[in-house]
Amino acid sequence: GESVGLHLPTLSVQEGDNSIINCAYSNSASDYFIWYKQESGKGPQFIIDIRSNMDKRQGQRVTVLLNKTVKHLSLQIAATQPGDSAVYFCAEGGSYIPTFGRGTSLIVHP
Amino acid sequence: DSGVTQTPKHLITATGQRVTLRCSPRSGDLSVYWYQQSLDQGLQFLIQYYNGEERAKGNILERFSAQQFPDLHSELNLSSLELGDSALYFCASSVGDRETYGYTFGSGTRLTVV
Repeated sequence: GESVGLHLPTLSVQEGDNSIINCAYSNSASDYFIWYKQESGKGPQFIIDIRSNMDKRQGQRVTVLLNKTVKHLSLQIAATQPGDSAVYFCAEGGSYIPTFGRGTSLIVHP
Repeated sequence: DSGVTQTPKHLITATGQRVTLRCSPRSGDLSVYWYQQSLDQGLQFLIQYYNGEERAKGNILERFSAQQFPDLHSELNLSSLELGDSALYFCASSVGDRETYGYTFGSGTRLTVV
């Protein structure tokens, strides 16, 4: 079946650095992608989404890049803060039930 | 506050028992999705209801069942509980059926089976 996966299970960064979290997907027909943030003991929280007709989308301190050629998307967090420490999931949405990868744990060191 | 309400927040019960988890979707949302998240697994989709009707099934055990009521709240029933059922259970809601734009999660119910 189709799958959504993450390259790294854990990413450690220093406060103030930029973070990049990567995600591979295998369904070339996917037309919508979502990044979620899950803090300990809480439900996943929507961060940013991107449709397949876009290559890049920016939010507040976050940027999502989509490379349809290699079926890869990334989440960039600028000036990472301790409050960004969480697990980040990418998911394929749109006309499908969202399928989540296992997540990448982002650890921000002060 | 996401607008999706789940109760209870914590539940501790014994093996073999039955529990009911409740979810109220965000106002205006007609779809409710249930997910299970355990330590060694990611978010596993269980089941979806749309406007009272079952729409999609994922990896839901036969011991588990769900329903959505006319007021759109949903309940997930877990029976003959086993230790391995200990997990976080999330519901999410969206406006449409297979349209997952604006997918919003509740804060979850932590189930501990002892």
